[in-house]
Amino acid sequence: AQSVTQPDIHITVSEGASLELRCNYSYGATPYLFWYVQSPGQGLQLLLKYFSGDTLVQGIKGFEAEFKRSQSSFNLRKPSVHWSDAAEYFCAVGGYGQNFVFGPGTRLSVLP
Amino acid sequence: DGGITQSPKYLFRKEGQNVTLSCEQNLNHDAMYWYRQDPGQGLRLIYYSQIVNDFQKGDIAEGYSVSREKKESFPLTVTSAQKNPTAFYLCASSLGDRRTTDTQYFGPGTRLTVL
Repeated sequence: AQSVTQPDIHITVSEGASLELRCNYSYGATPYLFWYVQSPGQGLQLLLKYFSGDTLVQGIKGFEAEFKRSQSSFNLRKPSVHWSDAAEYFCAVGGYGQNFVFGPGTRLSVLP
Repeated sequence: DGGITQSPKYLFRKEGQNVTLSCEQNLNHDAMYWYRQDPGQGLRLIYYSQIVNDFQKGDIAEGYSVSREKKESFPLTVTSAQKNPTAFYLCASSLGDRRTTDTQYFGPGTRLTVL
């Protein structure tokens, strides 16, 4: 069965600093990978997704993620964090014959 | 604008009562889903439907029921059999019936509290 881990429960960064959120997955075949963001009390918004092709994918709000098959990782990055990026971030993996599996989330706090 | 609406935003229930959460989408998506979210946990799949008049249990279906009489609507009933129903409930939809790979789009959620 597939699984997703997000090793960091909570990360705090200063505004303007760079950001990397980690995501590791376990899946036997080609994964379909997603990053979502959730503001408090809101639904999830899709940031970006990877299905195939270029392993570096660009998303909305200046986010990007890199798929590394050898490390089973799909880390999310942003070069300069804005205060409005404070939220919870979820990594998810899908694949043929398997329901989506979501990671437990990483809560991002941004210091002024 | 196209999107997914959920109502109500907040819902309070007394123990022993059934309650129904509404989910409507105007995206013309075939598939719809219900997830439960608890603090510190990822989303867990309750039920999904890939086509009208058909639905399947997810990972935590016990104590819940659904119907899919119309393409745009997928209501969730939380029954009195659900032992710990207090949670945040999210509805999602995807374009095709490939529930395992299609991008899922989410509604704003309903927070259910049992008093």
